[in-house]
Formats: sequence, C-alpha cells, structure tokens
Amino acid sequence: AQSVTQPDIHITVSEGASLELRCNYSYGATPYLFWYVQSPGQGLQLLLKYFSGDTLVQGIKGFEAEFKRSQSSFNLRKPSVHWSDAAEYFCAVAQGGDTPLVFGKGTRLSVIA
Amino acid sequence: GAVVSQHPSRVICKSGTSVKIECRSLDFQATTMFWYRQFPKQSLMLMATSNEGSKATYEQGVEKDKFLINHASLTLSTLTVTSAHPEDSSFYICSAPPTRGRGEQFFGPGTRLTVL
Repeated sequence: AQSVTQPDIHITVSEGASLELRCNYSYGATPYLFWYVQSPGQGLQLLLKYFSGDTLVQGIKGFEAEFKRSQSSFNLRKPSVHWSDAAEYFCAVAQGGDTPLVFGKGTRLSVIA
Repeated sequence: GAVVSQHPSRVICKSGTSVKIECRSLDFQATTMFWYRQFPKQSLMLMATSNEGSKATYEQGVEKDKFLINHASLTLSTLTVTSAHPEDSSFYICSAPPTRGRGEQFFGPGTRLTVL
C-alpha cells in the first residue's frame, strides 16, 4: 500500500527566508505526486504536480519541488517565503490519474516577521 | 483548469437528521469521484469511491449504510450522511478525475458539516 510521510508537523520560518518541506513516499513504481496548500477553513489548492519527465517541477506562487527516485522524495521548496504562505501543506501520492490520493499528515507553516 | 463544485459549503444540523452533499463536475465528465473526510487538524482520508452506474466502494471502517453515495450521472455524485451524530462533524471534500484526463484530479471546495 502507498504511504506518504511528512516528517515535520510544524515549521516556522522568517519572512524572506528559504523554505523546504519534506515528503517521502512509499510505492513500488513511480507514482503521481502532488503538493497542496490549505488555509484554515478552506479547501485545497494545488501547488504543483509530477507525473513524469523533468524531475524539477515549477508550481504556482513561486514554489518548486524535486522528485528524487533514489530517495523516494518529493520535497517542496521556495526561495523566499512571504507571510501569506502561512498555511497547511499536504503532500499526496496516487498510483495513476484515476486513482484516489493518499495524503501525508501535513506540515503547518508559520511565518514570522 | 476544470471546476468541481460542492453544495452546500456549510451545513449545521441536529443529531439524528440526514444531510445530503452534492459534488458536481461543471465542465467535464467523471466516471469516478472520490469522497474524502478531514477532521479538525488532521489530514484528508479517503472514505469511498463513487462510480457512475454502479455501487460505491468504501474504505475499511466507513459504514456504507451511514454514508450513502449515489453517482447519478457523469457529472454528479451525492453523499448522504444518514442519522448524523456529532462525531460525523467534519470537512467533506470530493475530487474528480476527468474521464479522458491526463492524470490530474480536481477537488471541490469542501463542505463543512456540524452536527449539534
């Protein structure tokens, strides 16, 4: 069975600092990988996705993620965090386009001045 | 991108009543839709897979008689929480992969259910 691990429950960064959120997955083949962001009381917003091809994926809001097969990782990065980036971030994996997503437990990002 | 709507966005009901939540794909067809549940400060967990024209499949631990799913058409799936109780209070989110899609799924905005 697939699983997703987000080792960091809560991360605090200063505004303007760089950010990396970790995600590791367990799956035999190359999965479909996603990062979502959720603000309190809101739905999910897709930041980026990886299906195949270039392992460095660019997303919205200045985020990027890199798929590393050897490490079974799909870490999310942003070079300079803005206060509005404070939210919950979920990494998710799917076997294919028409299969359900398995979500990690999420990482809460706090941004301080 | 494609749009998935959910209705209602928020519902408060009394214990013992039933609540219906609709999930619609507005500009694409979806043979399959997924229903997730998110308790406060937790992640999303798959509840069931809704299949157009056939019975839904439920994840382990989800009561199929309590959470009735009907996939009436290629653009509509409904989740009915029957005899709701306070422990059913949660955020319910649906997602739909387009029938002829390229791998992406589209999530609805979610429905906040509060059972008093």
